[in-house]
Amino acid sequence: KQEVTQIPAALSVPEGENLVLNCSFTDSAIYNLQWFRQDPGKGLTSLLLIQSSQREQTSGRLNASLDKSSGRSTLYIAASQPGDSATYLCAVRLNTGTASKLTFGTGTRLQVTL
Amino acid sequence: GAGVSQTPSNKVTEKGKYVELRCDPISGHTALYWYRQSLGQGPEFLIYFQGTGAADDSGLPNDRFFAVRPEGSVSTLKIQRTERGDSAVYLCASSLLGGADTQYFGPGTRLTVL
Repeated sequence: KQEVTQIPAALSVPEGENLVLNCSFTDSAIYNLQWFRQDPGKGLTSLLLIQSSQREQTSGRLNASLDKSSGRSTLYIAASQPGDSATYLCAVRLNTGTASKLTFGTGTRLQVTL
Repeated sequence: GAGVSQTPSNKVTEKGKYVELRCDPISGHTALYWYRQSLGQGPEFLIYFQGTGAADDSGLPNDRFFAVRPEGSVSTLKIQRTERGDSAVYLCASSLLGGADTQYFGPGTRLTVL
C-alpha cells in the first residue's frame, strides 16, 4: 500500500525566506506526483504536477523536484510572502489500474510572518 | 467558468441519521471523485466515477457509504446510520477524461456527527 509522508508537519518562516517542503512515498511505481495548496475552508488548488519521467517543474516562485528511485519530492518556495501561508499537500498517482486515485500526504502547514 | 461546487457547505447531524452530500462537477467533465479528509490528515480516496458508473469504489469504508451519479454529471454521496467517526470534510473533484488528468477540487462539505 502506498504511503505518503510529509515533513515537517508545520513550518513558520519570516517573509522573504526561501524554504523547502519534503514529501516521501513508499512505492516508486508512480504515474505522477502533484503538489496542492489548501486554504482554510476551501478546496485544493493544484500547484505543480510532475510526470514520472520528469525531474522537476517550475511555476513562478515554486519549483518541485522528483526523485522517483528514492521516493522523494521537494517543493521549493522562493522569497516567501504572507500570502503563501496555507497547508501544502503532495499526492501521488500510482502507475497501476486506472491510475486515477490520488494518495495524499498529511500536509505541511506553512505560516509566513511579516 | 464555474468550478466544482458542493452542497451543503456544512452539515450537522445526529448519530444514526442519514445524510446526503451533493457535488456538481465542472461542466463536461466525465470523471468525478470523492475524498474524505479528517482533521489533520490528507484527503483519502473514496470512489471514482467514469460517466455514470463507479470505476473504482475501493475506498468506501463500509456498506453504510454509497454514491451515485445517475446522469453522469451531479453526484450524491449517501451515508446511512451516521457515526461520530464519519465526521470529516468530504471533498469532491472532477477531471475532463479521468485517468491521469488533473483533478479539480470543490470546497468540500464539513460533516459533523453529534
